[in-house]
Amino acid sequence: SQQGEEDPQALSIQEGENATMNCSYKTSINNLQWYRQNSGRGLVHLILIRSNEREKHSGRLRVTLDTSKKSSSLLITASRAADTASYFCATFSSNTGKLIFGQGTTLQVKP
Amino acid sequence: EAGVAQSPRYKIIEKRQSVAFWCNPISGHATLYWYQQILGQGPKLLIQFQNNGVVDDSQLPKDRFSAERLKGVDSTLKIQPAKLEDSAVYLCASSLDRANEQFFGPGTRLTVL
Repeated sequence: SQQGEEDPQALSIQEGENATMNCSYKTSINNLQWYRQNSGRGLVHLILIRSNEREKHSGRLRVTLDTSKKSSSLLITASRAADTASYFCATFSSNTGKLIFGQGTTLQVKP
Repeated sequence: EAGVAQSPRYKIIEKRQSVAFWCNPISGHATLYWYQQILGQGPKLLIQFQNNGVVDDSQLPKDRFSAERLKGVDSTLKIQPAKLEDSAVYLCASSLDRANEQFFGPGTRLTVL
């Protein structure tokens, strides 16, 4: 079963605009991770945020985590055509010992 | 640093045939994972190894799928016999430990006709 649910399922924006993707989950977690997948490729890890953290930055990426609402968001600022990809959130819980992925958000950035 | 290697990259077989996938994880990574990713969905964990022991195979269809990790390094995933619904991308990943970031291979795209 999928733990995380991403919203929206698909997003299309112009180059230079910001893109925001949301992830909701159901059970308690130890950390939440975001991954990117370009078409026909494997997944690439973007950022990991622990349950005791509220916000984390990495370059043009900003991730927030609200454990009271069981939700996270990924913000990509000043998007580029190369950011076109699918983005997945994944939650890790020491109770299950495994990472569970959501269905993903497909982002298209138009040049 | 070399990444996770997988082979083959593509495989086309007919239903009821058998197929095997190979994965070489990043050196020193104790945890190895096999995922199945159906088009338009997120990866679904099939099996998770810690060194050469299985720690989770709850979603592995054991009547047709098998996996092993020899000497705690390379791993193979086998399907026998294949069904149409097995058409998917099979991803191998590895990590230092289960809570850390995972590093993925390029995947094997399987088509069952």
